[in-house]
Amino acid sequence: DTAVSQTPKYLVTQMGNDKSIKCEQNLGHDTMYWYKQDSKKFLKIMFSYNNKELIINETVPNRFSPKSPDKAHLNLHINSLELGDSAVYFCASSQDAAGGVEQYFGPGTRLTVT
Amino acid sequence: TQLLEQSPQFLSIQEGENLTVYCNSSSVFSSLQWYRQEPGEGPVLLVTVVTGGEVKKLKRLTFQFGDARKDSSLHITAAQPGDTGLYLCAAREVGSNTGKLIFGQGTTLQVKP
Repeated sequence: DTAVSQTPKYLVTQMGNDKSIKCEQNLGHDTMYWYKQDSKKFLKIMFSYNNKELIINETVPNRFSPKSPDKAHLNLHINSLELGDSAVYFCASSQDAAGGVEQYFGPGTRLTVT
Repeated sequence: TQLLEQSPQFLSIQEGENLTVYCNSSSVFSSLQWYRQEPGEGPVLLVTVVTGGEVKKLKRLTFQFGDARKDSSLHITAAQPGDTGLYLCAAREVGSNTGKLIFGQGTTLQVKP
């Protein structure tokens, strides 16, 4: 069974549209994350939830809104998509938010905005 | 914003060669991790180092955390084509209780047979 899964794997859409990416983890972890990896492979944290509570909210446009319906799911909704939003978005989870814990990453969602 | 500088950014070598990747910062970190990412997949953890001066070995890979906990290195002995991938260092700020990781820019390694 896949530990951290994301849907869809690929997403191609036009500027101005609204889209969502879904993430699920079956590891029983308390903490989940959204990362953005740009074309230069730089990976940057966007959001993190611990037990459904938002604990990291980096400087991200408010067009991006995460939602955690339960500990096993963390979705990302993006409004009014822009060309610069094109990237690979990774969901990850960890046992908790303590130091040194391993983060398990999903396979990524490649978003292309045209 | 704390930065992690990785070098080199790209490395193309022949099978059997040795290599070292560096991860440097001016800041002190509570722990540092190395991940490997293959095309079309998410990063996978290789190792976590916590103590200054700590050395960990994973088969042909040797990881070291600097004495001052500001830098780290990854050394691969006798590289193989299966080692090809993107290597990322990631560090946790001292006192962080949010799980936030700061990633380096990555080192793309290509090992040619």
